[in-house]
Amino acid sequence: NAGVTQTPKFRILKIGQSMTLQCTQDMNHNYMYWYRQDPGMGLKLIYYSVGAGITDKGEVPNGYNVSRSTTEDFPLRLELAAPSQTSVYFCASSDITWRTEAFFGQGTRLTVV
Amino acid sequence: EDQVTQSPEALRLQEGESSSLNCSYTVSGLRGLFWYRQDPGKGPEFLFTLYSAGEEKEKERLKATLTKKESFLHITAPKPEDSATYLCAVQVESGGNQFYFGTGTSLTVIP
Repeated sequence: NAGVTQTPKFRILKIGQSMTLQCTQDMNHNYMYWYRQDPGMGLKLIYYSVGAGITDKGEVPNGYNVSRSTTEDFPLRLELAAPSQTSVYFCASSDITWRTEAFFGQGTRLTVV
Repeated sequence: EDQVTQSPEALRLQEGESSSLNCSYTVSGLRGLFWYRQDPGKGPEFLFTLYSAGEEKEKERLKATLTKKESFLHITAPKPEDSATYLCAVQVESGGNQFYFGTGTSLTVIP
């Protein structure tokens, strides 16, 4: 059971560079999410999607973009990396039914230098 | 504004020493409250969902309870393998099924 798969696991970026964090799920979930986790700050919602072609901003969307062309994939794009984007990024997915849990990937640790 | 607060931030217990973790929330329209466990370098792993005040759920040494304002995660006779960060999240009645997380409690169980 693959569940939610994120790539890469680690990445170092220079300031101003761009990159895409990949996320794919094989559970046919409609809802997908991107979170960032900073020490002592908990998980903050960056963007979410309720289905293919539909995305919306979460709590901390500035500096990021997303797209959802298929049910399975939900990539997160950083256009101009800044040191403030150094964090651990988690992708998650959940079923459309209320009150069902979200399943998380293993995370991508990103450092911007 | 929706808020989720967890306490304490960190907790050290001797093996076998029972205790409780707290998650208090101020949200409008709670759909559900979720407890997750997170090990270092891993993604959060689901433990429990609670829907209504008075509800309780158990799994091995863990028991979660819910009131109208807070939830408790009770740990009975913990073992070193229970050491992890425990996260609380709420799902609210707005937009998609977003989950809003607290900052977590880091639990260390000493043999």
